[in-house]
Amino acid sequence: DVKVTQSSRYLVKRTGEKVFLECVQDMDHENMFWYRQDPGLGLRLIYFSYDVKMKEKGDIPEGYSVSREKKERFSLILESASTNQTSMYLCASSSGQGSPLHFGNGTRLTVT
Amino acid sequence: DAKTTQPTSMDCAEGRAANLPCNHSTISGNEYVYWYRQIHSQGPQYIIHGLKNNETNEMASLIITEDRKSSTLILPHATLRDTAVYYCIVRVAWAGNKLVFGAGTILRVKS
Repeated sequence: DVKVTQSSRYLVKRTGEKVFLECVQDMDHENMFWYRQDPGLGLRLIYFSYDVKMKEKGDIPEGYSVSREKKERFSLILESASTNQTSMYLCASSSGQGSPLHFGNGTRLTVT
Repeated sequence: DAKTTQPTSMDCAEGRAANLPCNHSTISGNEYVYWYRQIHSQGPQYIIHGLKNNETNEMASLIITEDRKSSTLILPHATLRDTAVYYCIVRVAWAGNKLVFGAGTILRVKS
């Protein structure tokens, strides 16, 4: 079974802090994704990566950056956390065209 | 990606088959039908997907009509653990594309 692991289930940070959300997948998938999920807005794509050191902006990249130095690891960085970034963050991976996405269990981030 | 329409909620008795419909009347020829579910406080879980033919795996069956304008996800013997929000998504094969989740169907399995 594909396993996508997110480093934290719950995180509380202060406004202005730099925040790192880590995601690791164990299936040698080329593609990795970061989404956020908010009530009434569904899942929105922040960034995705289709190869090591490659990244593409999704629908809402502002205030975020990503890093993919190794194939199995995709990090989401909040350069200066703000309260409107309080959300559930979901990482996913997939193996290629047509393949389904496999999600981690999410990190619920609260910025105070 | 084509838009999908699903009922807001459904109830199913434990042990019975749960049939979840999805309408995707504007689907185009290169778009797949994907089903995911999300149990409270967890990430979405992939269930099954298909293009034209019916598909079956260990979790569920997917029935796609001949004109591809609608589909049905079948959980053959629903259990309480199948209570979740079920999302039907239609998208082209490129996995780097955004995955647009609608509101989905809340399935409540009752004993």
